[in-house]
Amino acid sequence: AQKVTQAQTEISVVEKEDVTLDCVYETRDTTYYLFWYKQPPSGELVFLIRRNSFDEQNEISGRYSWNFQKSTSSFNFTITASQVVDSAVYFCALNRDDKIIFGKGTRLHILP
Amino acid sequence: DVKVTQSSRYLVKRTGEKVFLECVQDMDHENMFWYRQDPGLGLRLIYFSYDVKMKEKGDIPEGYSVSREKKERFSLILESASTNQTSMYLCASSPSTASSYNSPLHFGNGTRLTVT
Repeated sequence: AQKVTQAQTEISVVEKEDVTLDCVYETRDTTYYLFWYKQPPSGELVFLIRRNSFDEQNEISGRYSWNFQKSTSSFNFTITASQVVDSAVYFCALNRDDKIIFGKGTRLHILP
Repeated sequence: DVKVTQSSRYLVKRTGEKVFLECVQDMDHENMFWYRQDPGLGLRLIYFSYDVKMKEKGDIPEGYSVSREKKERFSLILESASTNQTSMYLCASSPSTASSYNSPLHFGNGTRLTVT
């Protein structure tokens, strides 16, 4: 079965701390895509990153970085020097056939 | 910027009513999706469409139907609303590529539906 597991339901950290959001996936496909989305309190999900299964290079974008490890079927997301504006629900997602399926999300609270 | 607009931000309906949730996108995307979001369950796919007049069932289509008469508009219909359909409904669109499943989704702000 193809699925995405985000074991952390809710995380709270103090501003400026680093935080890692975990994502573990299962798929029987050899070619697949993984995604991260952010849902701020306004409600609209915002696309953050897409990674295909052949590209295991880690990616950094400002304070955000992603660690993709096929050996452990994980695609973890780290926010460095967190800020209050990072408070949101974060979803990891995986394509399944011609659809995208989502994990249950991790609610991140950044405390001032 | 892609804009996906959902007609209502909040909606309150009575049990048994027929409910229409409307979604319009302005970027000529071929693919449109309806998800519902519930606490502890994440996003679950209800229906999707890859072209006008085309629809496919997602993971939880029971109690819902959809309509796509025009490319830019994708409507979700609750034929007879029930209390267990109280939820946040999210519409999304994406462009069609050689492999549609790798296109990022563009989401609307959501419609929070309460069925009493």
